[in-house]
Amino acid sequence: DAKTTQPNSMESNEEEPVHLPCNHSTISGTDYIHWYRQLPSQGPEYVIHGLTSNVNNRMASLAIAEDRKSSTLILHRATLRDAAVYYCILRDPPTGANSKLTFGKGITLSVRP
Amino acid sequence: DAGVTQSPTHLIKTRGQQVTLRCSPISGHKSVSWYQQVLGQGPQFIFQYYEKEERGRGNFPDRFSARQFPNYSSELNVNALLLGDSALYLCASSFPGLATDTQYFGPGTRLTVL
Repeated sequence: DAKTTQPNSMESNEEEPVHLPCNHSTISGTDYIHWYRQLPSQGPEYVIHGLTSNVNNRMASLAIAEDRKSSTLILHRATLRDAAVYYCILRDPPTGANSKLTFGKGITLSVRP
Repeated sequence: DAGVTQSPTHLIKTRGQQVTLRCSPISGHKSVSWYQQVLGQGPQFIFQYYEKEERGRGNFPDRFSARQFPNYSSELNVNALLLGDSALYLCASSFPGLATDTQYFGPGTRLTVL
């Protein structure tokens, strides 16, 4: 599986935007970029995913570099409930009975009131 | 709708014992995956089952086994427990074939081996 590299931790202020970076220089043409997050004492939850184009949903935005070797998860207004470990994952195949998630250590986001 | 449920929530065992963990997927989901998460690390893939067949296995010893039942629920069994098996065991369900194939995780079972 292709690898991702994320900073260990980031801090943000409440109600400010947060940009969480991820490097994936060995990404293949069929790898989808997925983001999951894990709140304290909970299982991971899906945030967003994309292949080539930038993506938006109610939780976040995903900005993908043109060469696809990096991406950025954007939380538009951080809240205290967004404090979590965020995982950037490359998934191939993107779906199907053989697809699995390969987690790294993730980035721990702290949000200051 | 109920999410993924796991039982028990916590479990304490001693070295050498055997343990069975249970998972009920979201209604309509046919795939179940198991992950192990040790403290400070991301979850590590153990097994994936789809339509009662093993479709993937991570780098875990044969002491780890699993099965999926006709109602798509699943059990993870670990034999001859070691101290290093202490971890949060996560179950995730999904519906392969959908474009997103999002995996939905349960809250996990916290296993402590003494």
